[in-house]
Amino acid sequence: GEDVEQSLFLSVREGDSSVINCTYTDSSSTYLYWYKQEPGAGLQLLTYIFSNMDMKQDQRLTVLLNKKDKHLSLRIADTQTGDSAIYFCAESRGGATNKLIFGTGTLLAVQP
Amino acid sequence: DAGVIQSPRHEVTEMGQEVTLRCKPISGHDYLFWYRQTMMRGLELLIYFNNNVPIDDSGMPEDRFSAKMPNASFSTLKIQPSEPRDSAVYFCASSLGQGSQYFGPGTRLLVL
Repeated sequence: GEDVEQSLFLSVREGDSSVINCTYTDSSSTYLYWYKQEPGAGLQLLTYIFSNMDMKQDQRLTVLLNKKDKHLSLRIADTQTGDSAIYFCAESRGGATNKLIFGTGTLLAVQP
Repeated sequence: DAGVIQSPRHEVTEMGQEVTLRCKPISGHDYLFWYRQTMMRGLELLIYFNNNVPIDDSGMPEDRFSAKMPNASFSTLKIQPSEPRDSAVYFCASSLGQGSQYFGPGTRLLVL
């Protein structure tokens, strides 16, 4: 399909790990990104992964990339209430790394 | 750096009026992007510029929308005449080369 797909909602307890999944469409995407959007705010770049990598770790964040299945995931370790937000994955479509196509967004709700 | 600056942060107008949204990219960035976010359609790329030149405007919904970048530190997105279906959050983002895009806080537009 044409769309970058994400599950709509994820609920976790504080201290647990969260895993947010994304299926993208363009096998030629050079970079894949994760953005975070808090209520009433813009999109904040969290992390990105180059397409020749299969994993990237950055503090509590781990990104896994499965190019064969065009599947991207974001794992947040020790999830905190401040992590509650909408998380968007984005692919750089058509090999032109500037043109990003965003997923539908996953609302992460962290229960205290 | 102050990040990407957008103004106004909120705009309420009546159908048929002209609306002008403004953006100041991060100093030194040579790419500027305009996005629209709605519940129904998610985050859509409208147009992007490189070195003040429009590169891809295929996402601009119709002739009522126009965007300009007269210099490296300023861009406008204009809607004339505005319609209720234009109500959305409009984001501006900038990047250096083909690097990561950094978003502004957005302009919330409501057309009555």
